[in-house]
Amino acid sequence: NAGVTQTPKFRVLKTGQSMTLLCAQDMNHEYMYWYRQDPGMGLRLIHYSVGEGTTAKGEVPDGYNVSRLKKQNFLLGLESAAPSQTSVYFCASRGSSADTQYFGPGTRLTVL
Amino acid sequence: AQKITQTQPGMFVQEKEAVTLDCTYDTSDQSYGLFWYKQPSSGEMIFLIYQGSYDEQNATEGRYSLNFQKARKSANLVISASQLGDSAMYFCAMRGDTGGFKTIFGAGTRLFVKA
Repeated sequence: NAGVTQTPKFRVLKTGQSMTLLCAQDMNHEYMYWYRQDPGMGLRLIHYSVGEGTTAKGEVPDGYNVSRLKKQNFLLGLESAAPSQTSVYFCASRGSSADTQYFGPGTRLTVL
Repeated sequence: AQKITQTQPGMFVQEKEAVTLDCTYDTSDQSYGLFWYKQPSSGEMIFLIYQGSYDEQNATEGRYSLNFQKARKSANLVISASQLGDSAMYFCAMRGDTGGFKTIFGAGTRLFVKA
């Protein structure tokens, strides 16, 4: 039981490049979330999903796209990376009847 | 709109003493949940404690307790008998029960435990 895993752990991009972050959970959770954490700002919700095939915008969705084709996976895409997207990205999941979100270890992304 | 406010950017506490980390919130939801997470220097987010808005008793988990004052919209975290390993960033968070059950986080409080 790995919980929530994120791939990759670190990545450096050049401005304008694209990439996809993968979040996987093995707890059969309905809800999945993508957050970004910037210094001094806590976590901000980018996008979330309430079930397979569904996605919705969070607080800071611009510049990101997401997909939830399989229940266990939630992908976060950056089509054209910008330096402002340098951040630590956290994925989380939660069961439909549970209160607690379980977080992945985070992905540190640097955009030059 | 929902909002979480943590007014203490940093706190110092002597080892073995208790410390209170402040959190106030604002929401129009009738039902909501309040959380505290710990983030050590290694970066992972560790769940500490949860309080539901309809829970009449304050939540406790070992050395952690949540001082929930609904009328004042506060959800302070109390850590008893601080340990050096408690040095970390602490985030207060709230999940509303409408709008997709989104969770919002405060800016955090960095706790330093002195030996």
